[in-house]
Amino acid sequence: DIQMTQSPSSLSASVGDRVTITCRASQSIGSYLNWYQQKVGKAPNLLIYAASTLQTGVPSRFGGSRSGTDFILTISNLQPEDSATYFCQQTYSSLYTFGHGTKLEIK
Amino acid sequence: EVKLLESGGGLIQPGGSLRLSCAASGFTFSTYVMSWVRQTPGKGLEWVSSISGSGDIPHYADSVKGRFTISRDNSEKTLSLQMNSLSAEDTAIYYCAKDLNYFDSSGYPHDAFDIWGQGTMVTVSS
Repeated sequence: DIQMTQSPSSLSASVGDRVTITCRASQSIGSYLNWYQQKVGKAPNLLIYAASTLQTGVPSRFGGSRSGTDFILTISNLQPEDSATYFCQQTYSSLYTFGHGTKLEIK
Repeated sequence: EVKLLESGGGLIQPGGSLRLSCAASGFTFSTYVMSWVRQTPGKGLEWVSSISGSGDIPHYADSVKGRFTISRDNSEKTLSLQMNSLSAEDTAIYYCAKDLNYFDSSGYPHDAFDIWGQGTMVTVSS
């Protein structure tokens, strides 16, 4: 199985800050990488697919990029509502795998 | 409005069976790959199974292969997951999810789950 290593596991930032979350694949997965946001008690919500394409309705403060097997989720101008856990997911292999999540706290 | 609504979760003894259902509305159900994803506090999100729009191509995670069966009824717009030989490790919230059905500029499909249900809790315990 393809392993997805996500870091950091948690972070704390202030309103207006810019944060980055990284996901590293254990092998090449092309751009078959998605990012999800999950708020407490809710189902995950798709933010970005194909590594860098913003899902409809997602604020442009969210962005995704790729460098080899490293994928980065960037959130600019942090807002209070961005407090959530963020997950990456690879869909290169038919056995999809998720990262373990990054919990983002807004100070 | 596109919606998914799971049902069928509950408390079940180890070794038992349970059938989950997911009712879809607001989109052409038969044209989309559908999936089940589960979540536990300890193991996070785990993809369980997916099925093609026609229902003839299922995929399973190794952890459930041979025990779980995914199926769909396109006429009823319903996705199902038959779970047998359940163990404590299967305890989780189970979500059904709809595939985005995105194709890149080269025509390659990229899977992503753009719509999720609210989840149904499955607890395996004696």
